[in-house]
Amino acid sequence: GESVGLHLPTLSVQEGDNSIINCAYSNSASDYFIWYKQESGKGPQFIIDIRSNMDKRQGQRVTVLLNKTVKHLSLQIAATQPGDSAVYFCADLTGGFKTIFGAGTRLFVKA
Amino acid sequence: GAVVSQHPSRVICKSGTSVKIECRSLDFQATTMFWYRQFPKQSLMLMATSNEGSKATYEQGVEKDKFLINHASLTLSTLTVTSAHPEDSSFYICSAGGTGVPGAQYFGPGTRLLVL
Repeated sequence: GESVGLHLPTLSVQEGDNSIINCAYSNSASDYFIWYKQESGKGPQFIIDIRSNMDKRQGQRVTVLLNKTVKHLSLQIAATQPGDSAVYFCADLTGGFKTIFGAGTRLFVKA
Repeated sequence: GAVVSQHPSRVICKSGTSVKIECRSLDFQATTMFWYRQFPKQSLMLMATSNEGSKATYEQGVEKDKFLINHASLTLSTLTVTSAHPEDSSFYICSAGGTGVPGAQYFGPGTRLLVL
């Protein structure tokens, strides 16, 4: 069946370093992905999205890379800050509004 | 823009009682809202898709008689957990499709339910 998953359940980085969070998907027809950030006790927040006609998209301090060949996408956070500590989910929206969430990666930022 | 609220944020109830959770889109109209359930340290699990003016579509394994969903207006959807039991304790999150990024959902802050 279709699934979206994350390679690592937790990631610990030093403040100021760059963070890379990975995500694999299994549906080769998937063509639209969103990264969400969820802080403890809160709902997910939209970070950045990417469509399959792109392999890279940049936002403020964040970059998403999409490799359709190996069905992998990643979220890169530059100069990671304590406020970036959260759980990050990749989500597949190929099916329209019905979103399939990955398992999530918890990012810890060490001061 | 695209703010979604939930009420209550936290509720504690006795086993056997029913609990209603409200989800509101504050500054946009949402023809479709979604209800998720999240257990500690786990991902979001879609429970149902709520369509304004029609019956909700439930995901496989979700009891529609246990989790009643009403989407009476373009800005309000409610989830009622009927005859709640301790295993229903969870974090319930709603979302709505909003303006801006097509397909992106805007999530409410979640409701923490604890059934004693």
